[in-house]
Amino acid sequence: GEQVEQRPPHLSVREGDSAVIICTYTDPNSYYFFWYKQEPGAGLQLLMKVFSSTEINEGQGFTVLLNKKDKQLSLNLTAAHPGDSAVYFCAVSLTSGGNYKPTFGKGTSLVVHP
Amino acid sequence: GPKVLQIPSHQIIDMGQMVTLNCDPVSNHLYFYWYKQILGQQMEFLVNFYNGKVMEKSKLFKDQFSVERPDGSYFTLKIQPTALEDSAVYFCASSLAGRDTEVFFGKGTRLTVV
Repeated sequence: GEQVEQRPPHLSVREGDSAVIICTYTDPNSYYFFWYKQEPGAGLQLLMKVFSSTEINEGQGFTVLLNKKDKQLSLNLTAAHPGDSAVYFCAVSLTSGGNYKPTFGKGTSLVVHP
Repeated sequence: GPKVLQIPSHQIIDMGQMVTLNCDPVSNHLYFYWYKQILGQQMEFLVNFYNGKVMEKSKLFKDQFSVERPDGSYFTLKIQPTALEDSAVYFCASSLAGRDTEVFFGKGTRLTVV
């Protein structure tokens, strides 16, 4: 089945620096891609959903890139601030007879220091 | 936006007892999921459910686990009997399905088995 590798597991940056998190997936039929943010003790907040037809996706303060050739999805926080400190998860989903089942990466714990 | 509600947010239960975790999915959604997260780490897929039936379950979905959604009410995860290793945060999710699908997650139920 689908496997998703996420790196790095931990990331520490200073305020204003960029932060990049990368996920690599295995199934070439992957079609939907998601980035979630989880603050301590909270649920999952969807940052962005990406479809396989779109390679560059701009959000507020971040960019998501999809490289289908290398089966890689990245989240780039352009100028991190302390409020970005959280655990970030990527998730990848197939469409297989309607059996949607997002597979998650292991998460990246991001700490942004003032 | 659409919300998935999970009740209760915390539950403490004696080992060997039965527990039912309740999920109120987004009202017009057709697919339902349970995920397990231990110690704020990886989100592990447990099961998905559609049209009254389990579509797919993982190795983590032990024989002691069951799911149902009677008469369009709560989507429930029942564990009977509970074991210490069942302590985790359980996230419910739902999706409408179709090509433009997004999976919406609840805030989780923290289950502690003592």
